[in-house]
Amino acid sequence: AQSVAQPEDQVNVAEGNPLTVKCTYSVSGNPYLFWYVQYPNRGLQFLLKYITGDNLVKGSYGFEAEFNKSQTSFHLKKPSALVSDSALYFCAVRRNTGTASKLTFGTGTRLQVTL
Amino acid sequence: EPEVTQTPSHQVTQMGQEVILRCVPISNHLYFYWYRQILGQKVEFLVSFYNNEISEKSEIFDDQFSVERPDGSNFTLKIRSTKLEDSAMYFCASSKVTGGPNQPQHFGDGTRLSIL
Repeated sequence: AQSVAQPEDQVNVAEGNPLTVKCTYSVSGNPYLFWYVQYPNRGLQFLLKYITGDNLVKGSYGFEAEFNKSQTSFHLKKPSALVSDSALYFCAVRRNTGTASKLTFGTGTRLQVTL
Repeated sequence: EPEVTQTPSHQVTQMGQEVILRCVPISNHLYFYWYRQILGQKVEFLVSFYNNEISEKSEIFDDQFSVERPDGSNFTLKIRSTKLEDSAMYFCASSKVTGGPNQPQHFGDGTRLSIL
């Protein structure tokens, strides 16, 4: 079975400060890891993915994520938050077998960036 | 940038009625998925579909659910006899064939299904 934990329901950060949204995962074998963002009344928008290689992956809108195999974590980061980053963020894991394999999502973390 | 489109955006249906949710995946994608998100809860996988057959389904996807690709562009989810607990946001997603499971799934904006 595969699972994702996002321990924080909400993260509050001031604009211009760095942000971190935490994610840990459990999956058999090597993981494929993803971050998605959801704005109000919209679908899930792909931000970035980790497949293999460099543990620090860069994605859209200045976001990056750090894969840590020993801690089974894939935390989302951004050096300088913007008010427009305020949204719901989902971490997801996928098995590395089966091309149409499902994504398993965490419960989501609401990011609130204030002036 | 191409998008997954879903119709309708909101569907209100009486309990026990059949409902069909429609999706147009991205044109060069051949893997299709349905997920649902009950209000305040996480996004849950329902079913994946490739080459005109179901690849994987969850325990939620019971006999009252079915999927179909009726033509070259649409992908539908049918719920035969809706229950109150089927009220949720339903998301369609698609992904490319080439590149395997490392290809991201692209999501539509969802259909909000309300069962009365």
